[in-house]
Amino acid sequence: DTGVSQDPRHKITKRGQNVTFRCDPISEHNRLYWYRQTLGQGPEFLTYFQNEAQLEKSRLLSDRFSAERPKGSFSTLEIQRTEQGDSAMYLCASSLGSGGINEQFFGPGTRLTVL
Amino acid sequence: GNSVTQMEGPVTLSEEAFLTINCTYTATGYPSLFWYVQYPGEGLQLLLKATKADDKGSNKGFEATYRKETTSFHLEKGSVQVSDSAVYFCALSAGDYKLSFGAGTTVTVRA
Repeated sequence: DTGVSQDPRHKITKRGQNVTFRCDPISEHNRLYWYRQTLGQGPEFLTYFQNEAQLEKSRLLSDRFSAERPKGSFSTLEIQRTEQGDSAMYLCASSLGSGGINEQFFGPGTRLTVL
Repeated sequence: GNSVTQMEGPVTLSEEAFLTINCTYTATGYPSLFWYVQYPGEGLQLLLKATKADDKGSNKGFEATYRKETTSFHLEKGSVQVSDSAVYFCALSAGDYKLSFGAGTTVTVRA
């Protein structure tokens, strides 16, 4: 199965620590997205890459959050000085950006718990 | 801005019952509309999609019709099974690539 993969699946950390998540998209997909999902809510857009370029960032993405996609392949999402409000499921998705329908394929997510 | 409002759950049904989950949207331009499903312990999966007015998306016995006049994309299935128990999300993409999701509707089907 060559779907979107995310690592780790679960992360428990203490408030104030830094955490980093990794996403490996479907290999031929040039677009990559990060979303955040809190309990009982739908996913909310965080940021979007086309190849290695970060093209859009949501206002939800405070300056403690940074995302990279070196060489246009995998992506990392880092949260510095974590807060309890950062506890959520972080979802990665990828799509083939050739115009037309924006069909995104999602990974299983990384569940972050900040104590 | 773009937004999606979907029927609140949870919804509990008996097997072979008819399922409807309402979804309405607000968007600029002409969005593409999607239903995603999240089965227990699994990631989000695209269930069906429609890209223009009057299009009908269908998959696994589910259907939804893009109604521009009522800005709606209601999900329906004529006879649900226990395996349809999941959380269903309505979403739209309005040309800027990111998806805007509704809050999700939890569906439980009893045998």
